[in-house]
Amino acid sequence: DIQLTQSPSFLSASVGDRVTITCRASQGISSYLAWYQQYPGKAPKLLIYTASTLQSGVPSRFSGSASGTEFTLTISSLQPEDFATYYCQQLSSYPQTFGQGTKVEIK
Amino acid sequence: QVQLVESGGGVLQPGRSLRLSCAASGFTFSSYAMHWVRQAPGKGLEWVAVISHDETNKYYGDSVRGRFTISRDNSKNTLYLQMNSLRTEDVAVYYCARGFTYGGRRFDLWGQGTLVTVSS
Repeated sequence: DIQLTQSPSFLSASVGDRVTITCRASQGISSYLAWYQQYPGKAPKLLIYTASTLQSGVPSRFSGSASGTEFTLTISSLQPEDFATYYCQQLSSYPQTFGQGTKVEIK
Repeated sequence: QVQLVESGGGVLQPGRSLRLSCAASGFTFSSYAMHWVRQAPGKGLEWVAVISHDETNKYYGDSVRGRFTISRDNSKNTLYLQMNSLRTEDVAVYYCARGFTYGGRRFDLWGQGTLVTVSS
């Protein structure tokens, strides 16, 4: 199975900060990586797919990039509604595993 | 509107069985692969199973293979998860999700989740 390692697991930041979350795959997954945002008690919401394609309706402050097996989610200017938990997911092969999550909290 | 609505969760004892349902509306259900994803309390997301649009292919996560069965009824626009031999470690919110592949693979639509509690 492909393992995804997200870092950091926890992040404390202020409104307006630039935030970067990294997801490393244990083997090559091409660009089959998605990012999701989840609030407590709510379903995940798709932000980015194929590593860097912004889902329709998602603010442009969210972006994704890839370099080999390392993937990055960047929030250019953190907004109050961005305080949530973020997950990466590989869709290269089954099981389509998720990273362990990164919780972004208010500093 | 376009939505997925799960049902069937509840509280039951270890070893018992339960069937979850996911009702789809607002889109052509029979055109999409469908997935189950679960989340234990306070934990991350765990992919559980997938079924192809025409039921010809099914895959399972290691932790549920042999105990859970995914199925669908395209005439009823409904996805199912039959859960047998339930364990305490199966306690989670279970989400159904639509698998979208055109233009790139992703889970673009999620239900609100249904809670399964296993306790003696």
